[in-house]
Amino acid sequence: EVQLVQSGAEVKKPGESLRISCKTSGYKFTSYWITWVRQMPGKGLEWMGRIDPSDSYTTYSPSFRGHVTISVDKSISTAYLQWSSLKASDTAMYYCARSDTARVDLFDIWAQGTMVTVSS
Amino acid sequence: DFQMTQSPSSLSASVGDRVTITCRASQGINNYLAWYQQKSGAVPKLLIYAASTLESGVPSRFSGSGSGTEFTLTISSLQPEDVATYYCQKYHSAPCSFGQGTKLEIK
Repeated sequence: EVQLVQSGAEVKKPGESLRISCKTSGYKFTSYWITWVRQMPGKGLEWMGRIDPSDSYTTYSPSFRGHVTISVDKSISTAYLQWSSLKASDTAMYYCARSDTARVDLFDIWAQGTMVTVSS
Repeated sequence: DFQMTQSPSSLSASVGDRVTITCRASQGINNYLAWYQQKSGAVPKLLIYAASTLESGVPSRFSGSGSGTEFTLTISSLQPEDVATYYCQKYHSAPCSFGQGTKLEIK
């Protein structure tokens, strides 16, 4: 069974760093891109960026470039989203989702999401 | 900046009604348009891609049409389980963009 499972909810203070994970199973990790999507409370979906796990080539939305880093560890089939300095405005649900190279940026499988709360 | 604009932002209809949601792209995107359904507290689900191709397992009452800059999602006969927020998405080339969503409720 194909699964994407994210790490648990986080509560952080402004200025702190954070890395959340997206562990995959049931398919060949390097054959599907991983994308991160933000959903702020009560708001819509925002495409943050994606990574090709085969070579770690990464593309970011201009809205998120420089503020987050997307990476992978192929040895454990896991993707990451990290911040070096969180802001209160980063409070949101974050989803990872996969897409295959034949259907670029079409997300057939989503993880359950990680709620990140940033508050002093 | 590239934008996807959905209308209406919210919609209330009766069971059995035909429902249409519109999505407009600020530039032509050929038919690289997908629709997702997100029920309350759940993750989004892919319904339609390539503007009109139904994803496997999606009920046939859902359909999509359009090309270029204007697209529609139609539910031919609204069912109670269709209560959700619907998002259009431009895909195939980054950065991908979602519409702001259309919240669909039962009257």
